Amino acid sequence: QLQLQESGPGLVKPSETLSLTCTVTGDSISSDTFYWGWIRQPPGKGLEWIGTIYYTGSTYYNPSLKSRVSISVDTSKNQFSLKLSSVTAADTAVYYCARHPPPGATRVDYWGQGTLVTVSS
Amino acid sequence: EIVMTQSPATLSVSPGERATLSCRASQSVSSNLAWYQQKPGQAPRLLIYGASTRATGIPARFSGSGSGTEFTLTISSLQSEDFAVYYCQQYNIWPPELTFGGGTKVEIK
Repeated sequence: QLQLQESGPGLVKPSETLSLTCTVTGDSISSDTFYWGWIRQPPGKGLEWIGTIYYTGSTYYNPSLKSRVSISVDTSKNQFSLKLSSVTAADTAVYYCARHPPPGATRVDYWGQGTLVTVSS
Repeated sequence: EIVMTQSPATLSVSPGERATLSCRASQSVSSNLAWYQQKPGQAPRLLIYGASTRATGIPARFSGSGSGTEFTLTISSLQSEDFAVYYCQQYNIWPPELTFGGGTKVEIK
């Protein structure tokens, strides 16, 4: 059974860098079938796609966040990670890691449980 | 950027009744449209993709239709477990880009 689990600090100071990791179990992140992504949801609000990565390291980002976002993959640990720099209170959200079934990065068929990250001093 | 607009924001429906949710794209997305259900404190669940294909394990009372810029999610007979927030999402095949609508909350009338 596929499981995705987010991990990382729940509190980040303004202007610092938010870092999260998603550990995938039950499937190989090196599979050439799936893409892997990050999506966030501010409290009480809607969903926002952050970006997506393929096991080769190819990345695709939301244009509105592209200047601050970096997603990487570690196939040896079956993990992929998110870094979001220069955070503000507007980046407070539940962050989900997710799997995109083929073709490419389209819909999301598996989600992590989500982790709340609060930006506050 | 493609903007997705959902209506209504809130839909009050009695159990057993039909619910019809709308999603409009600011430009054509062909049939590259998915629908999700989200309950409080949970991650979203994929219901429909390709505008009309039910995801694995999704009951037949959920159906999707539309193409281009106008899409509809219909729940034929609302069950108690269907009261939730529903999101549409467009996906551009290449380069990958995903955009969600603002959501429709289906509440008990």
